[in-house]
Amino acid sequence: GQNIDQPTEMTATEGAIVQINCTYQTSGFNGLFWYQQHAGEAPTFLSYNVLDGLEEKGRFSSFLSRSKGYSYLLLKELQMKDSASYLCAVRDRDYKLSFGAGTTVTVRA
Amino acid sequence: TAGITQAPTSQILAAGRSMTLRCTQDMRHNAMYWYRQDLGLGLRLIHYSNTAGTTGKGEVPDGYSVSRANTDDFPLTLASAVPSQTSVYFCASSELAGAYNEQFFGPGTRLTVL
Repeated sequence: GQNIDQPTEMTATEGAIVQINCTYQTSGFNGLFWYQQHAGEAPTFLSYNVLDGLEEKGRFSSFLSRSKGYSYLLLKELQMKDSASYLCAVRDRDYKLSFGAGTTVTVRA
Repeated sequence: TAGITQAPTSQILAAGRSMTLRCTQDMRHNAMYWYRQDLGLGLRLIHYSNTAGTTGKGEVPDGYSVSRANTDDFPLTLASAVPSQTSVYFCASSELAGAYNEQFFGPGTRLTVL
């Protein structure tokens, strides 16, 4: 199984940078995903890491260290619309995802 | 393209009654999944299906059953609902070949069992 930990809440100012950490313990790692979920809506895919290193997609970047069981999602140039929950999910070799409880990010003006 | 649809959007159900949550995808994805999302617990996998005709148990399967008669549909049935099954239920689908294989989620069904 998987044990996935991420902070419950984070608050940041518009235009700032926020880093959301995720640690995991896994049996059979096959990739790590980050999803964004606005209140009352479905999760939507943000990023995917399977090899160590940084993946950059516009204002969002995700980092993975498999040896440390660690990932982070970096949100740059924060906008009000970035206020949402961010879900860290680890995939196993059967392609099943295990999710962390999510980090609620509040962006303040 | 509709993607994934779920029905109903929300439902209030008396304890002991049965109910089927419907999920349909039009992306021809091999795999489909059912999750429940509860405050503070995140998304938890109930059942999954890697291809039509096969299903598997996830983390919290008790009290739920699924079937996968064809590629597009993956209904979730509660045979005798209990209040602890009050939750938001999300259906998802993905490919199993290729690079990312990210899961695409439906809009969810909010179920209240009284």
